[in-house]
Amino acid sequence: EDQVTQSPEALRLQEGESSSLNCSYTVSGLRGLFWYRQDPGKGPEFLFTLYSAGEEKEKERLKATLTKKESFLHITAPKPEDSATYLCAVQAYNQAGTALIFGKGTTLSVSS
Amino acid sequence: DGGITQSPKYLFRKEGQNVTLSCEQNLNHDAMYWYRQDPGQGLRLIYYSQIVNDFQKGDIAEGYSVSREKKESFPLTVTSAQKNPTAFYLCASSIPFGGRGQETQYFGPGTRLLVL
Repeated sequence: EDQVTQSPEALRLQEGESSSLNCSYTVSGLRGLFWYRQDPGKGPEFLFTLYSAGEEKEKERLKATLTKKESFLHITAPKPEDSATYLCAVQAYNQAGTALIFGKGTTLSVSS
Repeated sequence: DGGITQSPKYLFRKEGQNVTLSCEQNLNHDAMYWYRQDPGQGLRLIYYSQIVNDFQKGDIAEGYSVSREKKESFPLTVTSAQKNPTAFYLCASSIPFGGRGQETQYFGPGTRLLVL
């Protein structure tokens, strides 16, 4: 069964304190792994898509990496505006055009 | 600006009432999706449609219905058969069989449904 597990569930950081969020997945042939950011009461905002092990993508203070079993979202020198829930999702090759399988998310709080 | 709109932002349902959530997109995407989000749970798929006049059940379709008469629109009806409808409903769209970078699902702002 295709599955996505995110850890930790919640993470509290001080401004400037770098850390990583984890997304472990099991899927029968990975088509793509997706990271989204979701603010309270809003829809998820797309951040990155990763396709193959070893791939990395960056956007401002965020960097996403991918291995054959997991993905990491590294947050460098976070600011309070980075506070949000970060969602990881996967799509299998045999599920093209259908749903993404989502993890439950990691809620990040950054205090100044 | 291209994007996905959902309305209303908040919706209140009375016992035994059917309510309809609107989702419109101007991204020219073929596929549209409805997800349900509950606190502490991942997004769960209700229905999806890969093309006009065709749609498929997702994991939790019971108590819901959809239609896809136009490419731009994918309304979701929450029927009285759905006994626990209180949740945050999210609509998404994508180009389902495109190349890399095209299959990303983009989400609307969501509708919060509450039961009176």
